[in-house]
Amino acid sequence: NAGVTQTPKFRVLKTGQSMTLLCAQDMNHEYMYWYRQDPGMGLRLIHYSVGEGTTAKGEVPDGYNVSRLKKQNFLLGLESAAPSQTSVYFCASRSQGNAGGYTFGSGTRLTVV
Amino acid sequence: GEDVEQSLFLSVREGDSSVINCTYTDSSSTYLYWYKQEPGAGLQLLTYIFSNMDMKQDQRLTVLLNKKDKHLSLRIADTQTGDSAIYFCAETNTGTASKLTFGTGTRLQVTL
Repeated sequence: NAGVTQTPKFRVLKTGQSMTLLCAQDMNHEYMYWYRQDPGMGLRLIHYSVGEGTTAKGEVPDGYNVSRLKKQNFLLGLESAAPSQTSVYFCASRSQGNAGGYTFGSGTRLTVV
Repeated sequence: GEDVEQSLFLSVREGDSSVINCTYTDSSSTYLYWYKQEPGAGLQLLTYIFSNMDMKQDQRLTVLLNKKDKHLSLRIADTQTGDSAIYFCAETNTGTASKLTFGTGTRLQVTL
């Protein structure tokens, strides 16, 4: 089925470890986004991309890096995980010009101990 | 920057109407959205409205937009226990790479 796939779904990291979250979409969408969700704070934008090879900072980019080497993939990296990065991470994509066309992945639950 | 605010909690009885409210600050918002999130799940788009509209109805859902006051509401008629979830208001405008700015979410509890 077409959509946004996030891997992994769950992960526990120790403080200081690194990891990469993968977001893949097969809808040929230009725009892709990474959000984090924390209780009582809604979803906050970490980084986003408006096309292959481009990335930009969102509202809460510190401690994260991203890459969009291929149009269908948007990677979110944590170089040195901290407990403050314990959260649920959502990826989304959208095609240009389709206002209602945001598609969200099912989320990655990350715990940093 | 843009700001979207919602109350955190709403409790209604099954069969009653629910009204979830949202205020936003960005006067250049072009689209406003309502998303539903059930426990442990992702976000499901319920409906969205273009900023030049003041109302949109879709079955049990009615969205009202007061652009002057920057106020958006979602009314759910005949609320059911399956409507229990967190509801997020979000906005975007064409000048910001279509980034969605979300509210904090309103947890709707439906009681029998």
